[in-house]
Amino acid sequence: GDSVTQMEGPVTLSEEAFLTINCTYTATGYPSLFWYVQYPGEGLQLLLKATKADDKGSNKGFEATYRKETTSFHLEKGSVQVSDSAVYFCALSKSGNTPLVFGKGTRLSVIA
Amino acid sequence: GAVVSQHPSRVICKSGTSVKIECRSLDFQATTMFWYRQFPKQSLMLMATSNEGSKATYEQGVEKDKFLINHASLTLSTLTVTSAHPEDSSFYICSARDRVPVNYGYTFGSGTRLTVV
Repeated sequence: GDSVTQMEGPVTLSEEAFLTINCTYTATGYPSLFWYVQYPGEGLQLLLKATKADDKGSNKGFEATYRKETTSFHLEKGSVQVSDSAVYFCALSKSGNTPLVFGKGTRLSVIA
Repeated sequence: GAVVSQHPSRVICKSGTSVKIECRSLDFQATTMFWYRQFPKQSLMLMATSNEGSKATYEQGVEKDKFLINHASLTLSTLTVTSAHPEDSSFYICSARDRVPVNYGYTFGSGTRLTVV
């Protein structure tokens, strides 16, 4: 079945450091790919998405590019802030009313 | 943008009682609602999928008689945890799928932290 694998956390970075969280997927067909962020005690918020190969999703300084050849959707940010501390989930979706398939999540802690 | 209002955000109940969690879609029609459970420091586990006006489809291992899901309208879905026990303590999150998939249509509620004592 479809699956998402993302790097194990926790990830601890100093403020203004470069962030990469790796995500790869296994799926038949052409899924859409997402990054969600979860702040402590809250639900999930969509961070960015890409619906086809070579699309780049971006939001709040975060970017991820849909790479079909490597089945990857790595999340990057050039300069993290303390407020970026959260859990990040990579996910995929097929067409129709199918649920999202999530990775296990990566906890990011940014220290001042 | 699309918003899903989930209530209550936190609930503490006694063992053996039932708890109802509501998710309402604001300003859009949710044809499909997904219910997830999340254990501490873990990913989301899909419990069930419900479509408006029909019975929910439960994932393997989820007791349908314990976790009652109702999706009677396009703006409201409820999850009732019946005869709750301490092992049901968890974070429950709903996700609504738009009838028209703006922003690709997955909008999450803010979650409900259930503690059974």
